[in-house]
Amino acid sequence: QSALTQPASVSGSPGQSITISCIGTSSDIGGYNYVSWYQQHPGRAPKLMIYDVTNRPSGVSDRFSGSRSATTASLTISGLQTEDEATYYCCSFTGSSPPYVFGGGTQVTVL
Amino acid sequence: QLVESGGGLVRPGRSLRLSCTPSGFTFGDDSMSWVRQAPGKGLEWIGLFRNKRYGGTTEYAASVRGRFTISRDDSKSIAYLQMNSLKTEDTAVYYCTRGGWFGDLMGFDIWGRGTMVTVSS
Repeated sequence: QSALTQPASVSGSPGQSITISCIGTSSDIGGYNYVSWYQQHPGRAPKLMIYDVTNRPSGVSDRFSGSRSATTASLTISGLQTEDEATYYCCSFTGSSPPYVFGGGTQVTVL
Repeated sequence: QLVESGGGLVRPGRSLRLSCTPSGFTFGDDSMSWVRQAPGKGLEWIGLFRNKRYGGTTEYAASVRGRFTISRDDSKSIAYLQMNSLKTEDTAVYYCTRGGWFGDLMGFDIWGRGTMVTVSS
C-alpha cells in the first residue's frame, strides 16, 4: 500500500483560506469514509483535527474543515492564524493490510 | 491522556519493550495503535490491537511484522510494544494512540507524547 500524496508545503497570509490536498486511490480514500487529518507542531505529538472525512472532534476550531472528491481528500483552514503554522498529515483506512496509510505531510506556513 | 515509557538506546539485533498507560480513562472497549516517526520524517502506522469485541487480535505493518508484538493487560490498564531484532531503521519516536478499529471514530483521537527509540551500535 503506497503512502498518500500531499504537497510538501502550503502557505498563506493571516486571515486567508488554504486547502491541503491528499491524493489516494479507490482502495483507500475513495473506498471508505474514513479519512482523518492530524496537526503536528515541532516537537509535539500529532493532534486529531478531522475524522471520518468531515467531522471535527470536540474542541477543534470550526475554521478547520474536511472534504473529499473521488480519491482526493482535502483539509481547508479558513481565517488562517499564526498558531496554525504546523505540519498536517492525512490518513486513510484501507480495508486491507496495512489498514492505515498516512500522507507524507504538508508544512503550513503563515506569511 | 496516554503515557509511553521504555524508550532508549539499543544495539542492532537487541530487544526493547515499550509501555503505554492511559491517564484519566481506561482502555475499556477501545482499540489502540502504535504509530512511529523517524527523525525528520512523517508518520508511519505500525500496529493495531483490536478491542475485545473484535477478539483482541493484532495487525502489523510489513516493516515490523514478525519482529514487533503488541499486547495489552486490561486488568492493569497497560499496553506493550515488544520490539525484537531491532534495526537501525527502527530509530524513531514511538507514539501510543487510542483508536484504529471501529470505535467511536476511525482514526486516532488520543496520542501520547511519544518515546524515542534509537537503534545504533
